[in-house]
Amino acid sequence: KAGVTQTPRYLIKTRGQQVTLSCSPISGHRSVSWYQQTPGQGLQFLFEYFSETQRNKGNFPGRFSGRQFSNSRSEMNVSTLELGDSALYLCASSQGRATGELFFGEGSRLTVL
Amino acid sequence: QKEVEQDPGPLSVPEGAIVSLNCTYSNSAFQYFMWYRQYSRKGPELLMYTYSSGNKEDGRFTAQVDKSSKYISLFIRDSQPSDSATYLCAMRSRNTGFQKLVFGTGTRLLVSP
Repeated sequence: KAGVTQTPRYLIKTRGQQVTLSCSPISGHRSVSWYQQTPGQGLQFLFEYFSETQRNKGNFPGRFSGRQFSNSRSEMNVSTLELGDSALYLCASSQGRATGELFFGEGSRLTVL
Repeated sequence: QKEVEQDPGPLSVPEGAIVSLNCTYSNSAFQYFMWYRQYSRKGPELLMYTYSSGNKEDGRFTAQVDKSSKYISLFIRDSQPSDSATYLCAMRSRNTGFQKLVFGTGTRLLVSP
């Protein structure tokens, strides 16, 4: 069974630009979430989607947004990039049940210059 | 103060040692507790998943949860060089989103041959 797939794996942007990251969940998983990982803050929850609806949102500015498509694939977008947005962005998927385990992708490493 | 505290390490042990990794937390609503292992440049991989208090064993790994002390542990028996990685504790409450986890910052473990 294929795991969670994230693209692109690495990207470099400059301040002020925007970026879109993509995530394909494990087949059959309807729930997708996004996390930001930085050396100082660790993993921080961004948002969670289930059946195309945002179910939860973390404490991040409105520049961070996401969506989920009918095939459960998800994208997240960061607009007006800042230097502090440099991080590893991780996508996780699960079946969406209360006891469901989260399975993470390998992440998209964003560097903002 | 962070909701979940975890010693960043690094923790250096010889091969074959018993390793103890710990997290403390402040939110008494947390009921689901997880340990993830993350190798360099990879996404987190779920190791152990426990609900409420008690112990759970899986091979060389044992997870313990003490809700009265707000303290969770992961023990690794007969540690191997391949166990060298960053170990992340994570937890969530019953009434938040299924994928909204709160993570510790991770403990880096180094097992020397």
